[in-house]
Amino acid sequence: DAMVIQNPRYQVTQFGKPVTLSCSQTLNHNVMYWYQQKSSQAPKLLFHYYDKDFNNEADTPDNFQSRRPNTSFCFLDIRSPGLGDAAMYLCATSLGHNEQFFGPGTRLTVL
Amino acid sequence: AQSVTQLDSQVPVFEEAPVELRCNYSSSVSVYLFWYVQYPNQGLQLLLKYLSGSTLVKGINGFEAEFNKSQTSFHLRKPSVHISDTAEYFCAVRRGRDDKIIFGKGTRLHILP
Repeated sequence: DAMVIQNPRYQVTQFGKPVTLSCSQTLNHNVMYWYQQKSSQAPKLLFHYYDKDFNNEADTPDNFQSRRPNTSFCFLDIRSPGLGDAAMYLCATSLGHNEQFFGPGTRLTVL
Repeated sequence: AQSVTQLDSQVPVFEEAPVELRCNYSSSVSVYLFWYVQYPNQGLQLLLKYLSGSTLVKGINGFEAEFNKSQTSFHLRKPSVHISDTAEYFCAVRRGRDDKIIFGKGTRLHILP
């Protein structure tokens, strides 16, 4: 089945220790998104790739970076995680800006 | 600028009773509308979407929504809820084909036995 896969599902890191979350898709969609979702809140868009073009949201902290080495994979790098970065991180894909297909998410804990 | 308002943060409803989750949007141009469901510790799943055509849209799991342009609303309904419908529901709007999706704050649906 075509799908969006996120690894790992649960990630624990230490304060200030860099962490990378990964996302892959078999849908062959040209757009990939990263969202941050805190408890009982709506997903907050961090950035997205439209094909190879990187689009950063204005309020996304510099601490967050992303890489998309090819169509299928996208990574979220958090350079120095703080306690406030603990959240669920959701990857999504779409064909153009049509409806988005979400992965199951990675829950990040910062100790 | 476009925005999405979900007035109810939580909605309790008895099992087998009907439910309506409210969503209003603001936009000066035509929009595309979506409802997503999020079960605990999972990603979002598309329930239904309105792009054009019939204003009554049917989705998965027995849900439907009606696009009302004059009231700028896209309320979600189900005639009889089940315990498995317990989840967070997000309304979302996209202004045009090349625009991003904006999510509402979500409504938590509690099914009471």
